[in-house]
Amino acid sequence: DAKTTQPPSMDCAEGRAANLPCNHSTISGNEYVYWYRQIHSQGPQYIIHGLKNNETNEMASLIITEDRKSSTLILPHATLRDTAVYYCIVRVKETSGSRLTFGEGTQLTVNP
Amino acid sequence: EAQVTQNPRYLITVTGKKLTVTCSQNMNHEYMSWYRQDPGLGLRQIYYSMNVEVTDKGDVPEGYKVSRKEKRNFPLILESPSPNQTSLYFCASSLWRSNEKLFFGSGTQLSVL
Repeated sequence: DAKTTQPPSMDCAEGRAANLPCNHSTISGNEYVYWYRQIHSQGPQYIIHGLKNNETNEMASLIITEDRKSSTLILPHATLRDTAVYYCIVRVKETSGSRLTFGEGTQLTVNP
Repeated sequence: EAQVTQNPRYLITVTGKKLTVTCSQNMNHEYMSWYRQDPGLGLRQIYYSMNVEVTDKGDVPEGYKVSRKEKRNFPLILESPSPNQTSLYFCASSLWRSNEKLFFGSGTQLSVL
Protein backbone atom coordinates (compact mmCIF):
# COMPACT_ATOMS: atom_id res chain seq x y z
CA ASP A 1 0.00 0.00 0.00
CA ALA A 2 1.11 3.50 -0.71
CA LYS A 3 1.65 5.29 2.59
CA THR A 4 1.08 8.95 3.29
CA THR A 5 3.04 11.32 5.50
CA GLN A 6 1.57 14.50 6.95
CA PRO A 7 2.80 16.97 9.56
CA PRO A 8 1.11 16.30 12.90
CA SER A 9 -0.10 19.85 13.40
CA MET A 10 -0.40 23.24 11.76
CA ASP A 11 -1.74 26.65 12.71
CA CYS A 12 -3.41 29.20 10.51
CA ALA A 13 -4.85 32.66 11.08
CA GLU A 14 -8.53 33.12 10.41
CA GLY A 15 -9.13 34.51 6.91
CA ARG A 16 -5.76 33.36 5.60
CA ALA A 17 -5.10 30.43 3.32
CA ALA A 18 -4.30 27.11 4.97
CA ASN A 19 -1.91 24.90 2.98
CA LEU A 20 -1.77 21.33 4.18
CA PRO A 21 0.95 19.12 2.66
CA CYS A 22 0.93 15.36 2.11
CA ASN A 23 3.70 13.09 0.91
CA HIS A 24 2.80 9.90 -0.98
CA SER A 25 6.04 9.01 -2.71
CA THR A 26 5.10 5.38 -3.43
CA ILE A 27 1.77 6.13 -5.08
CA SER A 28 1.05 4.09 -8.18
CA GLY A 29 -0.52 5.19 -11.44
CA ASN A 30 -4.13 4.23 -10.77
CA GLU A 31 -4.35 5.46 -7.18
CA TYR A 32 -6.31 8.55 -6.29
CA VAL A 33 -5.51 11.03 -3.54
CA TYR A 34 -8.42 11.83 -1.25
CA TRP A 35 -8.69 14.41 1.49
CA TYR A 36 -11.07 14.13 4.41
CA ARG A 37 -11.45 16.03 7.61
CA GLN A 38 -12.78 15.15 11.04
CA ILE A 39 -14.18 17.76 13.36
CA HIS A 40 -13.82 16.64 16.98
CA SER A 41 -15.24 13.08 17.17
CA GLN A 42 -17.71 13.35 14.32
CA GLY A 43 -17.57 11.05 11.32
CA PRO A 44 -14.94 12.05 8.76
CA GLN A 45 -16.15 14.30 5.97
CA TYR A 46 -15.03 14.07 2.36
CA ILE A 47 -13.39 17.24 1.01
CA ILE A 48 -11.88 16.60 -2.40
CA HIS A 49 -10.00 14.03 -4.47
CA GLY A 50 -7.79 13.90 -7.57
CA LEU A 51 -5.67 11.67 -9.77
CA LYS A 52 -3.11 13.94 -11.40
CA ASN A 53 -4.76 17.21 -12.32
CA ASN A 54 -5.37 20.04 -9.88
CA GLU A 55 -8.91 20.11 -8.57
CA THR A 56 -11.13 22.75 -6.99
CA ASN A 57 -14.56 22.63 -5.40
CA GLU A 58 -16.56 24.81 -3.06
CA MET A 59 -14.59 23.66 -0.04
CA ALA A 60 -10.96 23.54 -1.17
CA SER A 61 -8.34 23.16 -3.87
CA LEU A 62 -6.05 20.20 -4.38
CA ILE A 63 -2.65 20.65 -5.97
CA ILE A 64 -0.85 17.44 -7.02
CA THR A 65 2.77 17.64 -8.12
CA GLU A 66 3.64 16.50 -11.62
CA ASP A 67 5.41 13.38 -10.35
CA ARG A 68 2.40 12.71 -8.06
CA LYS A 69 4.65 12.08 -5.08
CA SER A 70 3.05 14.82 -3.02
CA SER A 71 -0.01 17.04 -2.84
CA THR A 72 -1.28 20.12 -1.02
CA LEU A 73 -4.79 20.83 0.19
CA ILE A 74 -5.58 24.53 0.17
CA LEU A 75 -8.38 26.11 2.20
CA PRO A 76 -8.38 29.58 0.63
CA HIS A 77 -9.96 31.54 3.48
CA ALA A 78 -9.81 29.50 6.66
CA THR A 79 -12.47 30.00 9.32
CA LEU A 80 -12.66 28.82 12.93
CA ARG A 81 -15.01 26.05 11.78
CA ASP A 82 -12.18 24.62 9.66
CA THR A 83 -10.35 23.58 12.83
CA ALA A 84 -10.17 19.81 12.43
CA VAL A 85 -7.92 16.84 11.74
CA TYR A 86 -7.23 16.58 8.01
CA TYR A 87 -6.48 13.18 6.50
CA CYS A 88 -4.70 12.57 3.24
CA ILE A 89 -5.64 9.13 1.87
CA VAL A 90 -4.44 7.09 -1.06
CA ARG A 91 -6.96 4.64 -2.44
CA VAL A 92 -5.49 1.30 -3.41
CA LYS A 93 -7.05 -1.01 -5.96
CA GLU A 94 -6.66 -4.75 -5.32
CA THR A 95 -8.02 -7.71 -7.21
CA SER A 96 -10.18 -8.89 -4.33
CA GLY A 97 -11.27 -5.55 -3.02
CA SER A 98 -9.90 -2.27 -1.97
CA ARG A 99 -8.38 -0.76 1.10
CA LEU A 100 -8.32 2.79 2.36
CA THR A 101 -5.16 3.74 4.23
CA PHE A 102 -5.59 6.63 6.65
CA GLY A 103 -2.52 8.45 7.84
CA GLU A 104 -2.42 10.01 11.28
CA GLY A 105 -3.61 13.28 9.85
CA THR A 106 -2.77 16.91 10.46
CA GLN A 107 -4.45 18.80 13.29
CA LEU A 108 -5.23 22.19 11.79
CA THR A 109 -6.00 24.91 14.30
CA VAL A 110 -7.44 28.13 12.93
CA ASN A 111 -6.78 30.99 15.30
CA PRO A 112 -8.84 34.20 15.56
CA GLU B 1 -31.68 12.42 3.10
CA ALA B 2 -28.66 10.38 2.05
CA GLN B 3 -27.00 9.01 5.15
CA VAL B 4 -25.19 6.24 6.97
CA THR B 5 -26.88 5.37 10.23
CA GLN B 6 -25.10 3.67 13.10
CA ASN B 7 -26.64 2.42 16.30
CA PRO B 8 -26.15 2.76 19.14
CA ARG B 9 -24.28 6.06 19.51
CA TYR B 10 -22.89 5.03 22.90
CA LEU B 11 -22.52 1.53 24.35
CA ILE B 12 -21.09 0.32 27.64
CA THR B 13 -20.73 -3.41 28.11
CA VAL B 14 -18.73 -5.99 30.04
CA THR B 15 -16.03 -8.37 28.91
CA GLY B 16 -17.35 -11.40 27.05
CA LYS B 17 -20.89 -10.22 26.44
CA LYS B 18 -21.65 -10.48 22.73
CA LEU B 19 -22.76 -7.28 21.04
CA THR B 20 -23.70 -6.00 17.60
CA VAL B 21 -23.31 -2.49 16.24
CA THR B 22 -25.63 -1.87 13.34
CA CYS B 23 -24.90 0.13 10.21
CA SER B 24 -27.36 0.97 7.48
CA GLN B 25 -27.11 3.16 4.38
CA ASN B 26 -29.87 4.42 2.10
CA MET B 27 -27.76 5.28 -0.96
CA ASN B 28 -27.66 1.86 -2.64
CA HIS B 29 -23.90 1.77 -2.16
CA GLU B 30 -22.00 -1.41 -3.00
CA TYR B 31 -19.05 -0.76 -0.71
CA MET B 32 -19.27 -0.64 3.08
CA SER B 33 -16.57 -0.64 5.72
CA TRP B 34 -15.91 -0.47 9.43
CA TYR B 35 -13.16 1.55 11.12
CA ARG B 36 -12.02 2.03 14.66
CA GLN B 37 -10.34 5.14 15.96
CA ASP B 38 -8.02 5.26 18.94
CA PRO B 39 -6.01 8.19 20.32
CA GLY B 40 -2.71 8.57 18.51
CA LEU B 41 -3.51 5.83 15.99
CA GLY B 42 -5.88 7.55 13.59
CA LEU B 43 -8.54 5.49 11.80
CA ARG B 44 -7.85 1.83 11.12
CA GLN B 45 -9.97 -0.34 8.89
CA ILE B 46 -11.49 -3.45 10.48
CA TYR B 47 -13.47 -5.08 7.66
CA TYR B 48 -14.92 -4.06 4.36
CA SER B 49 -17.46 -5.41 1.92
CA MET B 50 -17.52 -5.03 -1.85
CA ASN B 51 -21.13 -6.17 -2.16
CA VAL B 52 -23.67 -8.60 -0.74
CA GLU B 53 -21.98 -11.74 0.64
CA VAL B 54 -18.51 -10.35 -0.19
CA THR B 55 -16.42 -9.31 2.81
CA ASP B 56 -12.71 -9.04 3.49
CA LYS B 57 -10.35 -8.19 6.31
CA GLY B 58 -8.92 -4.77 6.83
CA ASP B 59 -5.94 -3.87 8.96
CA VAL B 60 -7.27 -4.88 12.40
CA PRO B 61 -9.89 -7.66 11.99
CA GLU B 62 -9.02 -9.74 15.08
CA GLY B 63 -11.92 -10.07 17.50
CA TYR B 64 -14.54 -8.84 15.04
CA LYS B 65 -17.01 -10.40 12.63
CA VAL B 66 -19.17 -8.86 9.95
CA SER B 67 -21.90 -9.98 7.62
CA ARG B 68 -23.43 -8.54 4.46
CA LYS B 69 -26.71 -10.32 3.81
CA GLU B 70 -28.40 -7.22 2.43
CA LYS B 71 -26.93 -4.39 0.43
CA ARG B 72 -27.99 -1.67 2.87
CA ASN B 73 -26.83 -3.31 6.14
CA PHE B 74 -23.35 -4.15 7.42
CA PRO B 75 -23.41 -5.04 11.13
CA LEU B 76 -20.24 -5.32 13.21
CA ILE B 77 -20.26 -8.19 15.68
CA LEU B 78 -18.06 -8.60 18.73
CA GLU B 79 -18.53 -12.19 19.88
CA SER B 80 -16.53 -11.80 23.09
CA PRO B 81 -15.59 -8.16 23.64
CA SER B 82 -12.45 -7.31 25.56
CA PRO B 83 -11.27 -4.02 27.08
CA ASN B 84 -8.82 -3.44 24.21
CA GLN B 85 -11.83 -3.10 21.91
CA THR B 86 -12.88 0.05 23.73
CA SER B 87 -12.84 2.55 20.89
CA LEU B 88 -14.76 4.90 18.63
CA TYR B 89 -16.20 2.99 15.68
CA PHE B 90 -17.25 4.36 12.30
CA CYS B 91 -19.14 2.77 9.46
CA ALA B 92 -18.72 4.09 5.91
CA SER B 93 -20.14 3.42 2.47
CA SER B 94 -19.59 4.42 -1.13
CA LEU B 95 -20.32 3.54 -4.72
CA TRP B 96 -17.69 1.16 -5.97
CA ARG B 97 -15.71 3.21 -8.43
CA SER B 98 -12.21 4.40 -7.74
CA ASN B 99 -13.16 8.05 -7.76
CA GLU B 100 -16.14 7.93 -5.45
CA LYS B 101 -16.25 9.49 -2.04
CA LEU B 102 -16.97 7.76 1.26
CA PHE B 103 -19.91 8.65 3.46
CA PHE B 104 -19.27 8.09 7.15
CA GLY B 105 -21.72 7.46 9.95
CA SER B 106 -21.69 9.56 13.10
CA GLY B 107 -19.84 6.96 15.14
CA THR B 108 -20.36 4.53 18.04
CA GLN B 109 -18.40 5.02 21.23
CA LEU B 110 -17.91 1.59 22.78
CA SER B 111 -16.59 0.98 26.28
CA VAL B 112 -15.81 -2.58 27.38
CA LEU B 113 -15.35 -2.92 31.14
